Amino acid sequence: GQNIDQPTEMTATEGAIVQINCTYQTSGFNGLFWYQQHAGEAPTFLSYNVLDGLEEKGRFSSFLSRSKGYSYLLLKELQMKDSASYLCACMDSNYQLIWGAGTKLIIKP
Amino acid sequence: GAVVSQHPSRVICKSGTSVKIECRSLDFQATTMFWYRQFPKKSLMLMATSNEGSKATYEQGVEKDKFLINHASLTLSTLTVTSAHPEDSSFYICSARDGTEGIYEQYFGPGTRLTVT
Repeated sequence: GQNIDQPTEMTATEGAIVQINCTYQTSGFNGLFWYQQHAGEAPTFLSYNVLDGLEEKGRFSSFLSRSKGYSYLLLKELQMKDSASYLCACMDSNYQLIWGAGTKLIIKP
Repeated sequence: GAVVSQHPSRVICKSGTSVKIECRSLDFQATTMFWYRQFPKKSLMLMATSNEGSKATYEQGVEKDKFLINHASLTLSTLTVTSAHPEDSSFYICSARDGTEGIYEQYFGPGTRLTVT
């Protein structure tokens, strides 16, 4: 079956760095997405990886290893506004998104 | 950037009535739109995939006669919750995928919070 695993909750300190991991098993693979979702709001796009390696975009970076079925989202210089849920989603062979349950990130001062 | 609007943002209705939610892609043509629902502190649950001009594909366990989806144009899809019951209360989110080849990102609408009393 298809499965996306990510931690349920993480806590980090303002100004620090946090890495959110995601492992996946899907029928085919056409890329991996990371979305940010604040409570009561819709998800917003953060990143898309389809090739192995690190994609950097400002304070956020996303890494993919297709051979390991693994990705991580790296957040640097954490700010209080980064407190949100981070959703990992894989696109399968039918170009459908398979969603993880999300990681709730709590930032403490 | 790609913008998706959703209307209404909040709706309260009485049990037994029907509610229509609109999803529009404002600056691109969306050949495919998706409807999700989300319960508090849970991840997104895909309800159905809607392709312009054809019938929606519903996920297992989603009643197609209860959740009517229409994708009449490349910029508009509607979800109608028929004979709503309190258990249908949820956060409904649509997303749209650009029809341009090679673009697979889904752009999300702001969501509709439905409360059935």
